[in-house]
Amino acid sequence: SAVISQKPSRDICQRGTSLTIQCQVDSQVTMMFWYRQQPGQSLTLIATANQGSEATYESGFVIDKFPISRPNLTFSTLTVSNMSPEDSSIYLCSALASDNEQYFGPGTRLTVT
Amino acid sequence: AQKVTQAQTEISVVEKEDVTLDCVYETRDTTYYLFWYKQPPSGELVFLIRRNSFDEQNEISGRYSWNFQKSTSSFNFTITASQVVDSAVYFCALRTLYNTDKLIFGTGTRLQVFP
Repeated sequence: SAVISQKPSRDICQRGTSLTIQCQVDSQVTMMFWYRQQPGQSLTLIATANQGSEATYESGFVIDKFPISRPNLTFSTLTVSNMSPEDSSIYLCSALASDNEQYFGPGTRLTVT
Repeated sequence: AQKVTQAQTEISVVEKEDVTLDCVYETRDTTYYLFWYKQPPSGELVFLIRRNSFDEQNEISGRYSWNFQKSTSSFNFTITASQVVDSAVYFCALRTLYNTDKLIFGTGTRLQVFP
């Protein structure tokens, strides 16, 4: 299995600012993922973060808005840039562990005012 | 196209009732994996089960059981003798061998168990 932590757990941010979310895995993993869960909705994949290469973004998500870093096999960050109230969501980090299961972090609850 | 449908948006039961959460999936791939996750009010996603497409055997784990039927493309989840702690949103998800990096989620079913 894999244990994933995220920081911050929640934040309230002003429109136009940026927030960087950190994700730490307790073991080395090849693939890490970032999901968004808007209020009352399901999870939507934002991008896949691979170490040593640029993140792969899903349709509707762009690097300028959601830049991602993956400096090593246990860590990744997601930045939500130039935030608007529509960005208010839970952002979840996930990793594909060696047992081929996908585990999720506790999420970061973001509110943009 | 790959898709997961959870037609039940919300279910309410009284404690000790049995409840079944439905999940219907679509994929053209012959090799795929199906999952159930639980999301309690705290927000984290808890992995419950994974099933691969070649294993149609039903599984039971305590009060939880899963019924996988390829003929109807369904992977239903039953909680027996429900408890208040079962109250959560439950997500069914699909991952195919072709798209191993994508977990496609259904819209979730909110289960409320009342004492």
